[in-house]
Amino acid sequence: AQSVAQPEDQVNVAEGNPLTVKCTYSVSGNPYLFWYVQYPNRGLQFLLKYITGDNLVKGSYGFEAEFNKSQTSFHLKKPSALVSDSALYFCAVRDDRGSTLGRLYFGRGTQLTVWP
Amino acid sequence: NAGVTQTPKFRILKIGQSMTLQCTQDMNHNYMYWYRQDPGMGLKLIYYSVGAGITDKGEVPNGYNVSRSTTEDFPLRLELAAPSQTSVYFCASSYDPQRESTGPYNEQFFGPGTRLTVL
Repeated sequence: AQSVAQPEDQVNVAEGNPLTVKCTYSVSGNPYLFWYVQYPNRGLQFLLKYITGDNLVKGSYGFEAEFNKSQTSFHLKKPSALVSDSALYFCAVRDDRGSTLGRLYFGRGTQLTVWP
Repeated sequence: NAGVTQTPKFRILKIGQSMTLQCTQDMNHNYMYWYRQDPGMGLKLIYYSVGAGITDKGEVPNGYNVSRSTTEDFPLRLELAAPSQTSVYFCASSYDPQRESTGPYNEQFFGPGTRLTVL
């Protein structure tokens, strides 16, 4: 079965420092991975995705993610955190099999807090 | 484009009542989805649709029903509300031109959510 795990419920980082939000995945076929962000009382917003190609994917708001097939990971990173990056971050994997094609399976989310 | 819109934003129901959560998208997306979000649990898929007239169950469909009579609308129906259905509900849509593994993998666009409380 397809699944993702976000091992940290919370990540705290000082403004200006690099941040990493971790995600590991389990898939039966090719991994198609996504990161979404949710600000308070809002819907999810797409940040970036990995389909194929370069292992370093660049996305919105200066975020990037590194795909590592051997470690089955897709960690979200940003070189310099901003207070406005504080939000709930979700990793997701796309189901690419048969009748359930196209569905996304989400992790539990990681609350990122960037303090001034 | 308004994107994905949901109504209402908030609702309180009594046990046993019924209601319909509305979802509309104006992006001509073929795929539409309903999720529920519970604290610390991420998002769980309730139902989804790959086009008008076609719907299918997700991970947690019990207690819900959907229909997809048009491309734009994908309402979610709760027939007999229960406290376990207290949650935040999100509708989403995406466009995939073909249901094959080699097709493009486009992101889902989410609505603002409906916060439902069942007392």
